[in-house]
Amino acid sequence: AQKVTQAQTEISVVEKEDVTLDCVYETRDTTYYLFWYKQPPSGELVFLIRRNSFDEQNEISGRYSWNFQKSTSSFNFTITASQVVDSAVYFCALSINAGNMLTFGGGTRLMVKP
Amino acid sequence: DAGITQSPRHKVTETGTPVTLRCHQTENHRYMYWYRQDPGHGLRLIHYSYGVKDTDKGEVSDGYSVSRSKTEDFLLTLESATSSQTSVYFCAITRAISSYNEQFFGPGTRLTVL
Repeated sequence: AQKVTQAQTEISVVEKEDVTLDCVYETRDTTYYLFWYKQPPSGELVFLIRRNSFDEQNEISGRYSWNFQKSTSSFNFTITASQVVDSAVYFCALSINAGNMLTFGGGTRLMVKP
Repeated sequence: DAGITQSPRHKVTETGTPVTLRCHQTENHRYMYWYRQDPGHGLRLIHYSYGVKDTDKGEVSDGYSVSRSKTEDFLLTLESATSSQTSVYFCAITRAISSYNEQFFGPGTRLTVL
């Protein structure tokens, strides 16, 4: 069975601070996919990124970056120079079926204060 | 926007009453899912469908049934609602993108069982 752990239930930062959201996963499968979703206060789920288990390259997209380390089974998400609009709940998720049937972590609520 | 709608968006019902939630998609996707979101648990898979009349159980299927008689509609039924089924319910579809599948979520249905 798969498991995703987001140990930080809530993080509060002041605008312009950098913040890292942790995600640790467990799976026996050698091929798997990792995801991050954002859920703003309006409630919808917004896809942010997908990574495959065979691609450990880190990725940067604007102020967002992701660090994937198979050695520690982690897929951490960093927001640089946080903004109030980044306030949301962030979910890490895992799939062993090429994106079908996601296993989610419990989520991290990020509050960015002005 | 993956053309997913959910109805109703909000519902309040009483313990013991039957409830049916509807997920409708307009893009002819094969895979559809029902998740529930609860604080601390992230999203958990209830049931999924891989085609018309083809469904299977997810992680938290007890107390729920589903039906898919048309490609575009996936119904989730609570035969006799209980207070523990108070939750936000999300429908999702899988869209194939290149060699991967990405899940896109509907806007959610907030269900309160009194």
